[in-house]
Amino acid sequence: ETGVTQSPTHLIKTRGQQVTLRCSSQSGHNTVSWYQQALGQGPQFIFQYYREEENGRGNFPPRFSGLQFPNYSSELNVNALELDDSALYLCASSFMTVTEAFFGQGTRLTVV
Amino acid sequence: KNQVEQSPQSLIILEGKNCTLQCNYTVSPFSNLRWYKQDTGRGPVSLTIMTFSENTKSNGRYTATLDADTKQSSLHITASQLSDSASYICVVTYLPSGGYNKLIFGAGTRLAVHP
Repeated sequence: ETGVTQSPTHLIKTRGQQVTLRCSSQSGHNTVSWYQQALGQGPQFIFQYYREEENGRGNFPPRFSGLQFPNYSSELNVNALELDDSALYLCASSFMTVTEAFFGQGTRLTVV
Repeated sequence: KNQVEQSPQSLIILEGKNCTLQCNYTVSPFSNLRWYKQDTGRGPVSLTIMTFSENTKSNGRYTATLDADTKQSSLHITASQLSDSASYICVVTYLPSGGYNKLIFGAGTRLAVHP
């Protein structure tokens, strides 16, 4: 176990809906990054939060947004869901941005 | 363009046999290279992490090598077990000037170990 917890583990949503995914980072970690992993592909970087501020973003549209809370837990919000958003969403936590990143077990999102 | 390419895409071996997975990268400036094991539907778990100055690192039956000059890495699995069946992902970290530490993931090699 890595100490990084994601919820829910599975989720089914309808196209056009909005979804919120949650991540509790490992104790002592202040940086959370989110990834989207399509079936058979490597994870793709969505964005990263360091001490409650977004400090990096991948090639994802603005309907992907996030938050980091004072306890360093984080949320990923996706608006106007599309079928292609179906994927495994992973979060990883680390201390600052240079130490080992530990991943959660992921949230499997299915958009129908 | 910063990229990480892995080969083969998939591999089937018999239990007890050895295998080697390859990773080539074009990431610069390079910070470190990690190999992760990812079981289906689960988050990746770190196997090894190597910096520029390290050229080999072992973790049990897993041995990773790094050639920073040719920008190549390999992961060697010895005496494979059924539980080794998973995807193995090569991840290169780089730190662009004035930016944040960024992970570039390969697509992974899907390994199946058969009895």
